[in-house]
Amino acid sequence: EPEVTQTPSHQVTQMGQEVILRCVPISNHLYFYWYRQILGQKVEFLVSFYNNEISEKSEIFDDQFSVERPDGSNFTLKIRSTKLEDSAMYFCASRDDRGRNEKLFFGSGTQLSVL
Amino acid sequence: AQSVTQLGSHVSVSEGALVLLRCNYSSSVPPYLFWYVQYPNQGLQLLLKYTSAATLVKGINGFEAEFKKSETSFHLTKPSAHMSDAAEYFCAVKETGANNLFFGTGTRLTVIP
Repeated sequence: EPEVTQTPSHQVTQMGQEVILRCVPISNHLYFYWYRQILGQKVEFLVSFYNNEISEKSEIFDDQFSVERPDGSNFTLKIRSTKLEDSAMYFCASRDDRGRNEKLFFGSGTQLSVL
Repeated sequence: AQSVTQLGSHVSVSEGALVLLRCNYSSSVPPYLFWYVQYPNQGLQLLLKYTSAATLVKGINGFEAEFKKSETSFHLTKPSAHMSDAAEYFCAVKETGANNLFFGTGTRLTVIP
């Protein structure tokens, strides 16, 4: 089965530093997502992306966050100035746009630790 | 507003025993409902989904879930637990026409030999 790939699997950074989390969605998918999971809490929606623009974002996704699809394959999440509370597992997901396929395919996540 | 509530953050069962993981949802329109599983150090994997067809949905690895509108529930069951079922299980809801999923807090399933 095709996979969503995320790199790196673990990222450690200092507070205030910029980080970029990378994702390669499944090649024929059109919708892309970022979710995060703070330890012990629920998986939270951050942002969805379609047709080269943000289609929806949550309250968490403030000005410190941005997403980009710099080429035909990568989908990145950038946090400009990390805070301690940004420490979480970040999941990328994608789905196609055919019919009523509601299935999201998730990557294995990037564990971000902000020190 | 759409949300899901998973009762019990931890569930322990003996190997071979029935698995029951509870999920209740709230949604203003007919929802799509999902169960995802997260094995250690892996991403979220879809177990099964309800999309307004049959109310009893069969998924992978012997799991199934029944959509009960009167109870606003979508509990996940498996007749006989296996050691390999130990994982975190997430219930999620998506409203028709919406673009993203809303997850519950997850239930960690432990299987005791």
